[in-house]
Order: sequence, then C-alpha cells, then structure tokens
Amino acid sequence: AQSVTQPDIHITVSEGASLELRCNYSYGATPYLFWYVQSPGQGLQLLLKYFSGDTLVQGIKGFEAEFKRSQSSFNLRKPSVHWSDAAEYFCAVGAGAAGNKLTFGGGTRVLVKP
Amino acid sequence: EPEVTQTPSHQVTQMGQEVILRCVPISNHLYFYWYRQILGQKVEFLVSFYNNEISEKSEIFDDQFSVERPDGSNFTLKIRSTKLEDSAMYFCASKTGIDNSPLHFGNGTRLTVT
Repeated sequence: AQSVTQPDIHITVSEGASLELRCNYSYGATPYLFWYVQSPGQGLQLLLKYFSGDTLVQGIKGFEAEFKRSQSSFNLRKPSVHWSDAAEYFCAVGAGAAGNKLTFGGGTRVLVKP
Repeated sequence: EPEVTQTPSHQVTQMGQEVILRCVPISNHLYFYWYRQILGQKVEFLVSFYNNEISEKSEIFDDQFSVERPDGSNFTLKIRSTKLEDSAMYFCASKTGIDNSPLHFGNGTRLTVT
C-alpha cells in the first residue's frame, strides 16, 4: 500500500526567505504526485503535480517541486515566501486507475514571520 | 474557474441522527470522491464514485455511509446514525475522465457530532 511522509509538522520562515517542504512516498509503481495547499477555513487547492517527464515541475504561486526517484522524494520549494503563503501544505500520491485515489501525508504547517 | 461547492459549511448534529452532506461537482467531471479530515489528522480517502456506482471505498466507509448522485449535478454523502468519532471536515472532490487529471476539492463541510 502507498504511503506519504512529511517529516516536518511545523516550519517557520521569514518573509522573503526560501522555503523547502519535504515529502517522501512509498509506492510500488510509478507514482502520481501532488502538492496541495490549505489556507485556514478553505479547501485543498492544487499547487502542482507530477506524472512523468521532466522531474522539476512548476506550479502556481511561484512553487516548484522536484521528483527524485532514487530518494522517493518530492520536495516542494519556493525561493522567496510571502506572508500569504502561510498555510498547511499536503503532499499526496495517487494510486489506482488513473491515479484516482489519493493518499495524503500528514501536512506541514508553514508560519511566515514578518 | 469552475469550482466544487459544498453545503453546508458547518453542520452540527446529535449522535444517532442522520446527516446528509451535499456537493456540486464541476459540471463536466466524471469521477467523484469524498475524503475526510479529523482534526489534527491526515486527510483520508472515503469513497470514489464513477458511472453511478462506487468504484472504490476505504475501510472507514462502512454500512453507516452511503453516497448518491440523485440528479445530474449533486453528489451526496449520507451518514445514517452519526457517532462522535464522525466529527471531521468532509471534503468532496471531482475530476475529469482524463487520465492523470488532478482532483479538484471543495471547501469542505465541518461536521460536529454532539
């Protein structure tokens, strides 16, 4: 069965600083990988996805993620965070037909200091 | 941009009561899902629905749960006899029929069972 681990429960970063959120997955086949963001009181918004091809994927809001098969990782990065990036971030792996069923990591809550 | 909409945003019910959570998926989507997130825990898959039938369900989705697509636009989750441990945020999601297309989530319904 697939699983996703996000080792960092909380991260605090200064506005303007870079951000990297870690994600490790376990899945027997080629994974479909996703990052979602959840702002307080909101649903899950897709930031980016990886299915195949270029291992560095660009997403919305200036985020990018890199798929590293050898490390079973899909870390999310942003070069310069904004106060509006404060939210909870979820990594997910898709399995089953067409990656339909998502398994989520526990999430990383990002706090942004002025 | 089209959205998945969920109503109500917050539902309070007494233990043992039936509750129906409602969702309007994006209109041209073919796959429909319910996920839940108990406070402080991971987002968990409950059920997927395609072509008017359940395509997959988790062990959480027992006989107390049911889903229905009563017309061309709504997708509902019913809990027949709620328990305290059903208190959670319930997310509806939908996706197109295209392989590798991402799930689009609603803002969720917070269910509180007292």
